[in-house]
Amino acid sequence: DQQVKQNSPSLSVQEGRISILNCDYTNSMFDYFLWYKKYPAEGPTFLISISSIKDKNEDGRFTVFLNKSAKHLSLHIVPSQPGDSAVYFCAAPQTGGTSYGKLTFGQGTILTVHP
Amino acid sequence: DSGVTQTPKHLITATGQRVTLRCSPRSGDLSVYWYQQSLDQGLQFLIQYYNGEERAKGNILERFSAQQFPDLHSELNLSSLELGDSALYFCASSVDIPSYNEQFFGPGTRLTVL
Repeated sequence: DQQVKQNSPSLSVQEGRISILNCDYTNSMFDYFLWYKKYPAEGPTFLISISSIKDKNEDGRFTVFLNKSAKHLSLHIVPSQPGDSAVYFCAAPQTGGTSYGKLTFGQGTILTVHP
Repeated sequence: DSGVTQTPKHLITATGQRVTLRCSPRSGDLSVYWYQQSLDQGLQFLIQYYNGEERAKGNILERFSAQQFPDLHSELNLSSLELGDSALYFCASSVDIPSYNEQFFGPGTRLTVL
């Protein structure tokens, strides 16, 4: 059961344009979401997060939007830069039960930003 | 640099063998998590330790075990290795259990089973 889904395996964008990465979830108990960025041969690095009490969180060029009713979140990168080329994962932590703290990851989206 | 260290970086071994992966969390972090990333499975949670105690188990095989030592470093032991165990193994740490702290990931150990 894939509780966090990223349905687009890849995305290609021109430098300077907007990149929009999407993520859907099925578990209505999730109330906090994180985006991680991963370069080859490195571990994932935390990018930005959002709590379910908000519908938007912004950090520089990165903005995450949360639509709770649709169980959907998106990461916007504006303007996109070639250095943003990486794999992006959305993730949600378990907030109760025996797996408290466990992160459930989406499958990832490979973002390529062309100069 | 996340502050989480993992050794070794690469490991090549044969089927049936046993290996140990090591992780040192960020200074001050009490929680350690292990994840497996294989080509077709994405990042899968294996197990979590908090201050030396096992706190949560995910899709971890019985052939795999882990522990967290008093100095908070952790080891993941993989035994009776199979070809399908070839994957990247990541360790992550966080300050404490509450899920609102982001987890910081190490660079991973790439395991190849031949």
